[in-house]
Amino acid sequence: GNSVTQMEGPVTLSEEAFLTINCTYTATGYPSLFWYVQYPGEGLQLLLKATKADDKGSNKGFEATYRKETTSFHLEKGSVQVSDSAVYFCALTFWGAQKLVFGQGTRLTINP
Amino acid sequence: DAGITQSPRHKVTETGTPVTLRCHQTENHRYMYWYRQDPGHGLRLIHYSYGVKDTDKGEVSDGYSVSRSKTEDFLLTLESATSSQTSVYFCAISEGGSGGSNTYEQYFGPGTRLTVT
Repeated sequence: GNSVTQMEGPVTLSEEAFLTINCTYTATGYPSLFWYVQYPGEGLQLLLKATKADDKGSNKGFEATYRKETTSFHLEKGSVQVSDSAVYFCALTFWGAQKLVFGQGTRLTINP
Repeated sequence: DAGITQSPRHKVTETGTPVTLRCHQTENHRYMYWYRQDPGHGLRLIHYSYGVKDTDKGEVSDGYSVSRSKTEDFLLTLESATSSQTSVYFCAISEGGSGGSNTYEQYFGPGTRLTVT
């Protein structure tokens, strides 16, 4: 079946550090890939997406590249801020499937 | 932000009582979803709807029912609440591709925290 695996958290970094959150997927075919972010006490917000191989999604300084050869969609940011503290979810879907498959989420804490 | 509201935002109820959670959207999106979020499990799909009166089960549908009588409203009912249904419930909406290519992303409501004692 289709599944998403994220690096286990929690992840704790200092402000201005480089961030990588790993996400790999197992899927039959070529899914669309997403990163969602959940700030404390809120619902999930779409952070970025990529719909085909080699696409790079970007938003708010975050980037992720759809790597078909490694079935990965790692989230990166060059310099994190305290306000980036949140839970990050990687997810996939297929054209016409109408349902998202989520990873378990990675809790990120940024210390000043 | 997508126009999605959930009510109530917090609820405490006793085991065995019925509970209905409401999701309301102003985006006229075709698809609506109910998820539950629990520590260690991420988000799990309970039920979803692909149109008025059209619904289907997700991966954790036991103990839950849904109804959609209008495009804008999607109700989740726990017929007889149990402590295992203590969770945070999220509603989501999606155009499901009807708005053009690659519009399968989902937009989430603020959540309802339900505690069953």
